[in-house]
Amino acid sequence: DAGVTQSPTHLIKTRGQHVTLRCSPISGHKSVSWYQQVLGQGPQFIFQYYEKEERGRGNFPDRFSARQFPNYSSELNVNALLLGDSALYLCASRPTPSGANVLTFGAGSRLTVL
Amino acid sequence: TQLLEQSPQFLSIQEGENLTVYCNSSSVFSSLQWYRQEPGEGPVLLVTVVTGGEVKKLKRLTFQFGDARKDSSLHITAAQTGDTGLYLCAGGTSYGKLTFGQGTILTVHP
Repeated sequence: DAGVTQSPTHLIKTRGQHVTLRCSPISGHKSVSWYQQVLGQGPQFIFQYYEKEERGRGNFPDRFSARQFPNYSSELNVNALLLGDSALYLCASRPTPSGANVLTFGAGSRLTVL
Repeated sequence: TQLLEQSPQFLSIQEGENLTVYCNSSSVFSSLQWYRQEPGEGPVLLVTVVTGGEVKKLKRLTFQFGDARKDSSLHITAAQTGDTGLYLCAGGTSYGKLTFGQGTILTVHP
């Protein structure tokens, strides 16, 4: 079975631009979470989605948005990019949002903002 | 705001040595998880501990959850070069959000 897949793996943008990152969860997993990992730090929670609804949001500005599609894949959008948005963006999936279920992470999308 | 502090931030040791990584918080978590992350990859779960005082062993790795469920430790016996990586602790909530520590970068030299 395929794990969590993310695209693109690497991308370079300039300040002020917009970016869309994509995630396909493990088959059968209905919950997707997004995390931002800045170099040298642990991942920080951005969003959690379940059954196409937002079920949690971290301390990130409104420039960050996400959505989940009927097939449970997800997109993370970031507008008006800042240099500080440069990071590894991780997607993770689990069967349901319950903390009892293990999160499986993808390899991430490495965003560089110049 | 729930915070997790890991120590040390960096650890450089020789193969065969033992080491311990600590994860501390002022908050209570429903579970505590340890992950290992290699460059270019996402974190991979090593273990989940949920009961205060719980001890779990995974080959040469021993994980402990504090009695009050606020802290945890990871002990590696006889480290190998393959243990090199970023070790992350993460506190879990009942609704699934994970709060990560800043990580410990472990380098094991041959």
